[in-house]
Amino acid sequence: DAEITQSPRHKITETGRQVTLACHQTWNHNNMFWYRQDLGHGLRLIHYSYGVQDTNKGEVSDGYSVSRSNTEDLPLTLESAASSQTSVYFCASSESGTGAANTIYFGEGSWLTVV
Amino acid sequence: AQKVTQAQTEISVVEKEDVTLDCVYETRDTTYYLFWYKQPPSGELVFLIRRNSFDEQNEISGRYSWNFQKSTSSFNFTITASQVVDSAVYFCALSGSTDKLIFGTGTRLQVFP
Repeated sequence: DAEITQSPRHKITETGRQVTLACHQTWNHNNMFWYRQDLGHGLRLIHYSYGVQDTNKGEVSDGYSVSRSNTEDLPLTLESAASSQTSVYFCASSESGTGAANTIYFGEGSWLTVV
Repeated sequence: AQKVTQAQTEISVVEKEDVTLDCVYETRDTTYYLFWYKQPPSGELVFLIRRNSFDEQNEISGRYSWNFQKSTSSFNFTITASQVVDSAVYFCALSGSTDKLIFGTGTRLQVFP
């Protein structure tokens, strides 16, 4: 079955370190997204991509970057981790071509703690 | 701007009670889609339903039903005869002219035996 996987699922890192969260999907979806989930805020969009070599900033992109070198992967990098980036991160993907009609499927989440 | 409001932060019910989770949205798009996701204690996000802005028919799926009313910009979710397994955080979300989902802040539902 097609799926979307995130790694690591849990990580503790120190302030100032660079951290990369991996996201891999086998749906062959063009659209991929990164969200963070925080209490009281729901899920907020960090970055998204509509295809290879395409990346866009979301609502809370400061301190994060992404790159899209192939269809399957959209790694999320925290350039210099801060305590404010302690959160649960969700990767998601959807088909393209019909705008908002497509259901977005989520990975299982990555719990990141910055100490 | 697009916005989703879930005013109920937390709801507690006793098993077998009916419960309605409210969702109010704002958008300037004429074509848009509304979603509900469930997040059980295990943490994953489970897709429940998608509705488009041109279809205001209510939908029922087992004990779940959804009431979409464009006149009040609402897309409410009712669980009939709630069960302990329904305990979760439920998110309403909106997608307009792009595939980006805008989420509400979620409603935590606790169903007690």
